[in-house]
Amino acid sequence: GAVVSQHPSWVICKSGTSVKIECRSLDFQATTMFWYRQFPKQSLMLMATSNEGSKATYEQGVEKDKFLINHASLTLSTLTVTSAHPEDSSFYICSARNPGQGFGETQYFGPGTRLLVL
Amino acid sequence: GESVGLHLPTLSVQEGDNSIINCAYSNSASDYFIWYKQESGKGPQFIIDIRSNMDKRQGQRVTVLLNKTVKHLSLQIAATQPGDSAVYFCAENIPGNQFYFGTGTSLTVIP
Repeated sequence: GAVVSQHPSWVICKSGTSVKIECRSLDFQATTMFWYRQFPKQSLMLMATSNEGSKATYEQGVEKDKFLINHASLTLSTLTVTSAHPEDSSFYICSARNPGQGFGETQYFGPGTRLLVL
Repeated sequence: GESVGLHLPTLSVQEGDNSIINCAYSNSASDYFIWYKQESGKGPQFIIDIRSNMDKRQGQRVTVLLNKTVKHLSLQIAATQPGDSAVYFCAENIPGNQFYFGTGTSLTVIP
């Protein structure tokens, strides 16, 4: 299998606080994980690529100091939304590649984390 | 960015009928494609994939067709069931690059 989990699934926070979201690959090792953001009725927007043991690669327009990514191990990547504001409210989804399954490039997604900033 | 678009943003089908969801992509260098299903409030779920050296691939009740000449991808769902109601995304992979997702098609199955 290729199971990816996220925690928490739901978070509500006050404006100005920081929120950490965890992404774990449960049954495989993922050297590369991806973080996406999705607004209602829209497609997934890639925010950054998380590489184990090195710095994340951010997509154009994504503030790396606001969205801190740490890929601490082959099964865990974290996204920290720093000094969150209401406009950061969104559905954050991570994915991971399982090189040992299928064509290898396939990304398997976590269930998502819904963030609401008040 | 790359353009991966869908012809129909919404699709309604009767239960038991076959569904066809279409996707156009713009980069001829794309060598790998995936269809994902996303139910409300959940992450995308892998359905089926296909490489550019193939033109058809079948799974359980699903078939993906790839026409590289016109850069077109389709997902066929046989005997559509209410549980198939969801948003379907196609995604293309360009070698050495990331996946790019289409805008999505919302499929509604009418009982």
